[in-house]
Amino acid sequence: DQQVKQNSPSLSVQEGRISILNCDYTNSMFDYFLWYKKYPAEGPTFLISISSIKDKNEDGRFTVFLNKSAKHLSLHIVPSQPGDSAVYFCAASARGGTSYGKLTFGQGTILTVHP
Amino acid sequence: DSGVTQTPKHLITATGQRVTLRCSPRSGDLSVYWYQQSLDQGLQFLIQYYNGEERAKGNILERFSAQQFPDLHSELNLSSLELGDSALYFCASSESRGLSTEAFFGQGTRLTVV
Repeated sequence: DQQVKQNSPSLSVQEGRISILNCDYTNSMFDYFLWYKKYPAEGPTFLISISSIKDKNEDGRFTVFLNKSAKHLSLHIVPSQPGDSAVYFCAASARGGTSYGKLTFGQGTILTVHP
Repeated sequence: DSGVTQTPKHLITATGQRVTLRCSPRSGDLSVYWYQQSLDQGLQFLIQYYNGEERAKGNILERFSAQQFPDLHSELNLSSLELGDSALYFCASSESRGLSTEAFFGQGTRLTVV
């Protein structure tokens, strides 16, 4: 049962343009969402997060949007840079109950930014 | 550098064997998480420890076990290994029991079972 889905395995954009990575979830108990970036041979690196009480969170070139009714979130990177080329994972957490800090990850989207 | 150290980086072993993966969390972090990433899969949560106690369990096989020691380092033990256990195993740590979930990941241990 894939509770967090990233339906696009890959995305290719031109340098300077916007990159939009999408993520859908099914578990209505999720109340905290995160994006991680992963380079080959490295562990995932935390990028940005959003709580379910917000619909937008911005950090420099990165903005995450949350649409709770659609159970959908997206990561916007503007402008995209070649160094942004990596695998991006969406993750979700239900902070109550016994789930504590458990993160449920999507399968990842490979972003390639062309110079 | 995330501050989370995993050893070894690579491990090749035969089916039926047992291995131990080690993780040292960031200084001050009390929570340790183990994740498995198989080929073409996202990261699958295995287990979480907080200050020495098991806190949450995911899809961890009975052949796998983990523990967190008083100095907060953690070990993941994998036994009766099968070819399908070949994967990247990541350890992550965070400062809290889980309310702030920006976990920091180590570089992973690549396990190859032959």
